[in-house]
Amino acid sequence: DAGITQSPRHKVTETGTPVTLRCHQTENHRYMYWYRQDPGHGLRLIHYSYGVKDTDKGEVSDGYSVSRSKTEDFLLTLESATSSQTSVYFCAISELGFYEQYFGPGTRLTVT
Amino acid sequence: AQSVTQLDSHVSVSEGTPVLLRCNYSSSYSPSLFWYVQHPNKGLQLLLKYTSAATLVKGINGFEAEFKKSETSFHLTKPSAHMSDAAEYFCVVSLRTGANSKLTFGKGITLSVRP
Repeated sequence: DAGITQSPRHKVTETGTPVTLRCHQTENHRYMYWYRQDPGHGLRLIHYSYGVKDTDKGEVSDGYSVSRSKTEDFLLTLESATSSQTSVYFCAISELGFYEQYFGPGTRLTVT
Repeated sequence: AQSVTQLDSHVSVSEGTPVLLRCNYSSSYSPSLFWYVQHPNKGLQLLLKYTSAATLVKGINGFEAEFKKSETSFHLTKPSAHMSDAAEYFCVVSLRTGANSKLTFGKGITLSVRP
């Protein structure tokens, strides 16, 4: 298995609070991605990174920000969590952009 | 524009019988294609990939898929289903064209395996 960890694995938070999810890789892959998975919508790209400090928006980026200060870490922040952000969040990595990706175990986030 | 269609949202088979999970794609260029599997409460795992080499691709756990350009299909098959194959399966299209590179996921097919 690719060396990808996500933390926390489960989180319950209240509406309006900030939340940060962490993705850590040991593969030294250039590209990192954040997806959310919701019933009926499949996987949707939130943000991605193509290098340290280089990030770009995906199709559902509103309400989310990201940062990548080191090759191995990619953070996803919900500045002010809303109930619509209740979801399972997956981090993925790849050597080439938008090609074969390897996924982390996911973080289940519940916003009450 | 590219898209992926997995017409069946749920497929049910008996253990020991063949599995067929269908995927059709639309792409203006020659795509790369992938199948991923997701077991309950797990991340997605790569099953196999097509990258314009052999049209019949073999993957892990006895799965294989055949790329048919004339039919714009990339169906996933397995000769004999096992209980452990019960999971969700995603067909994915990759189009890498510089600034417009994109990875498109299908909606997924839930495979149930009856004893």
